[in-house]
Amino acid sequence: NAGVTQTPKFRILKIGQSMTLQCTQDMNHNYMYWYRQDPGMGLKLIYYSVGAGITDKGEVPNGYNVSRSTTEDFPLRLELAAPSQTSVYFCASSYNPGTSYNSPLHFGNGTRLTVT
Amino acid sequence: AQSVAQPEDQVNVAEGNPLTVKCTYSVSGNPYLFWYVQYPNRGLQFLLKYITGDNLVKGSYGFEAEFNKSQTSFHLKKPSALVSDSALYFCAVSAPHQTGANNLFFGTGTRLTVIP
Repeated sequence: NAGVTQTPKFRILKIGQSMTLQCTQDMNHNYMYWYRQDPGMGLKLIYYSVGAGITDKGEVPNGYNVSRSTTEDFPLRLELAAPSQTSVYFCASSYNPGTSYNSPLHFGNGTRLTVT
Repeated sequence: AQSVAQPEDQVNVAEGNPLTVKCTYSVSGNPYLFWYVQYPNRGLQFLLKYITGDNLVKGSYGFEAEFNKSQTSFHLKKPSALVSDSALYFCAVSAPHQTGANNLFFGTGTRLTVIP
């Protein structure tokens, strides 16, 4: 049982390049999330999904896109990388909403992205 | 809208001493409150939660947290700190009437350093 797996662990992009951050979970969780973590800012929700085929914007979605074709996978796409997207990105999953009393979030180990 | 504040960016404590990591929240109605911990180069891990009932809740690794409704606080505590407790701690809040997946809000984090 691997939990939530993110790849790559590190990446350096040039301004204007694109990339996809991969996320997969093997816990059959319905809910999946992408957060970004910036120093002193905590975690901000980028996008989330309540099940295969359903995605929605979080607090900071600009510059990103997602898809959820299967229960297991929830990739995050950066189309035109900008320095403001330099951050650590975390994927998470939960069986029910992470806001609910019985369903904590399970996080991957993160992807550290630098855009120069 | 709900929010959560962690007033201390950094907390230092000597090994064996009691530790407290502070959290205050703002939410309409009764809150759901959570603590997560992040070890270096890892994703967040769930520690404990308050939903209802006893104001003192116990969680993983000997941690506990005290819910104080009048002070709108949910401080994390441990009677005797270990060097291995050194990590980044996040408080999070949601409201029972707003349990959508995008309604979990994290604080900015407190870095705990336990000094040998």
